[in-house]
Amino acid sequence: AQSVAQPEDQVNVAEGNPLTVKCTYSVSGNPYLFWYVQYPNRGLQFLLKYITGDNLVKGSYGFEAEFNKSQTSFHLKKPSALVSDSALYFCAVRLGSSNTGKLIFGQGTTLQVKP
Amino acid sequence: DTEVTQTPKHLVMGMTNKKSLKCEQHMGHRAMYWYKQKAKKPPELMFVYSYEKLSINESVPSRFSPECPNSSLLNLHLHALQPEDSALYLCASSPRDQTTNEKLFFGSGTQLSVL
Repeated sequence: AQSVAQPEDQVNVAEGNPLTVKCTYSVSGNPYLFWYVQYPNRGLQFLLKYITGDNLVKGSYGFEAEFNKSQTSFHLKKPSALVSDSALYFCAVRLGSSNTGKLIFGQGTTLQVKP
Repeated sequence: DTEVTQTPKHLVMGMTNKKSLKCEQHMGHRAMYWYKQKAKKPPELMFVYSYEKLSINESVPSRFSPECPNSSLLNLHLHALQPEDSALYLCASSPRDQTTNEKLFFGSGTQLSVL
């Protein structure tokens, strides 16, 4: 079955420190991978995506993610966290060969950045 | 205009009421989506419209009835809901149909409470 896992419910980091939010996937075929962020009482906002090509993807607000095919991972990273990065982060996969293109979300990781 | 606009932002309804949620986008997108999201959980896909035709219904109960009057507008008609239907209802759009690798643009949602 196709799935996305975010192993951490919450990640805590001090402002100015690097942050990592983990994501692993299990799909057959070539995955399209996405990260979305959700601030309180808001909809989801797109951060970045991996389709093909360079394994390091740069996105909005200084975030980046590294696609690792051998480890089936797509971890989200930022070199220096801001308090304003505190939010709920979702990893998602869309099946490249699927005729429905359904987006499958992970369970989400709450990022808490302390001043 | 790069926004997906949802109205109302909040809705409280009784189990015998009929109400509608509205979603609008003026980006020329041809795919529109309804998602249901419980607190701190990932969005769950309900319906997808592609080129104004219903292309995906994720086995949603008939008390939820979607409608796509034109390419810019998406409605969700609600009737005889249950308290467990209380959730944040998110609308999203993407430029073409749901099989591509494009990102989704989300609205801020309607917070629905069923009493």
